[in-house]
Amino acid sequence: GENVEQHPSTLSVQEGDSAVIKCTYSDSASNYFPWYKQELGKGPQLIIDIRSNVGEKKDQRIAVTLNKTAKHFSLHITETQPEDSAVYFCAASKGSNYQLIWGAGTKLIIKP
Amino acid sequence: KAGVTQTPRYLIKTRGQQVTLSCSPISGHRSVSWYQQTPGQGLQFLFEYFSETQRNKGNFPGRFSGRQFSNSRSEMNVSTLELGDSALYLCASSLAEGTGANVLTFGAGSRLTVL
Repeated sequence: GENVEQHPSTLSVQEGDSAVIKCTYSDSASNYFPWYKQELGKGPQLIIDIRSNVGEKKDQRIAVTLNKTAKHFSLHITETQPEDSAVYFCAASKGSNYQLIWGAGTKLIIKP
Repeated sequence: KAGVTQTPRYLIKTRGQQVTLSCSPISGHRSVSWYQQTPGQGLQFLFEYFSETQRNKGNFPGRFSGRQFSNSRSEMNVSTLELGDSALYLCASSLAEGTGANVLTFGAGSRLTVL
């Protein structure tokens, strides 16, 4: 079945540096790729998503890129700040009639 | 606008007991989905309800069940609890049916510990 692998499981970066989290999916029919951020004690929150007809999407300091040929997509966070510390989850699906398949999560630590 | 409310936030049960968790979605949202979150396993989909009907079900045993009421509030039940059921149970609501392409708004979760 569909599988989403997420790397790394933990990422520690200096404040102000960039962070990149990568996910690989197995089903080439996947066409929706959201990223969720989960802060301590809270539920995940959508931060950005991309659909298969787009190669890149940006929203201020965050961006997502999609490589359909290689079946991977990445989250890029620039100029990291302490409030970026959280667990980030990627997911993939084939559309509204299918469920999201989630990656295992990446714990992002921003060092002051 | 109130968010997704889950109750209780924390609970401790013993093996063999059963538990019922509640989820109140955002007003106007008709889809409620449930997830089990364990360390290192990400989010595992349990089921989705839309208009009081189960629309999709994940790969969990029949001990896990749920329902949705006419006001869109949802409950999930786990019977004959096992140690491995210890987890954070999250619910999410969305406007439209289908978790695969819609923005999900999550609650803070119910943390279940089974002793």
